[in-house]
Amino acid sequence: GNSVTQMEGPVTLSEEAFLTINCTYTATGYPSLFWYVQYPGEGLQLLLKATKADDKGSNKGFEATYRKETTSFHLEKGSVQVSDSAVYFCALILNAGGTSYGKLTFGQGTILTVHP
Amino acid sequence: KAGVTQTPRYLIKTRGQQVTLSCSPISGHRSVSWYQQTPGQGLQFLFEYFSETQRNKGNFPGRFSGRQFSNSRSEMNVSTLELGDSALYLCASSLGAVGNTIYFGEGSWLTVV
Repeated sequence: GNSVTQMEGPVTLSEEAFLTINCTYTATGYPSLFWYVQYPGEGLQLLLKATKADDKGSNKGFEATYRKETTSFHLEKGSVQVSDSAVYFCALILNAGGTSYGKLTFGQGTILTVHP
Repeated sequence: KAGVTQTPRYLIKTRGQQVTLSCSPISGHRSVSWYQQTPGQGLQFLFEYFSETQRNKGNFPGRFSGRQFSNSRSEMNVSTLELGDSALYLCASSLGAVGNTIYFGEGSWLTVV
């Protein structure tokens, strides 16, 4: 089956530190990859995505590169802010119909706390 | 452009009751999917609807059901509520084709007592 594994949290950083959250996946087919962010008490917001190998998704200073050879999609940000404190979810969806429609497979989430 | 809208945001129900949650997708989106989020199980896919038809279904008991209307709005229903059904229920929408990005609403917080 399909699965997504994220690094264990929580992750605690000081403001302006470098962030990496590791994400690896297994998929029975060819997936698109996503990072979603969830702020306290809210739903999921799409942070960035990549649809094919070597694509780099980026948004709000966050980046992730689709690495097919290592089945990874690690999230990075050069300088985190207190406002980045949230839960980050890595996810995949197969680029196929049938049992893939609407079905994202999520990692367990990584809690990020950034201190001033 | 309005995002995915879910109602109600918060609700408390008693064991054995049933509940209906509502979702309005982003304008123009014809696919609506539902997810359950709990601390123990994380985010789990319930089902997906497109043009009023269920196209995909997760591994949940038959107490969980849904439907979609001709205007793409969707509802999900949980009957005979159990304590374990307490969760955040997230609705998401997309254009509905393979590879389209999925956008989520704010969720409905259900507490079963």
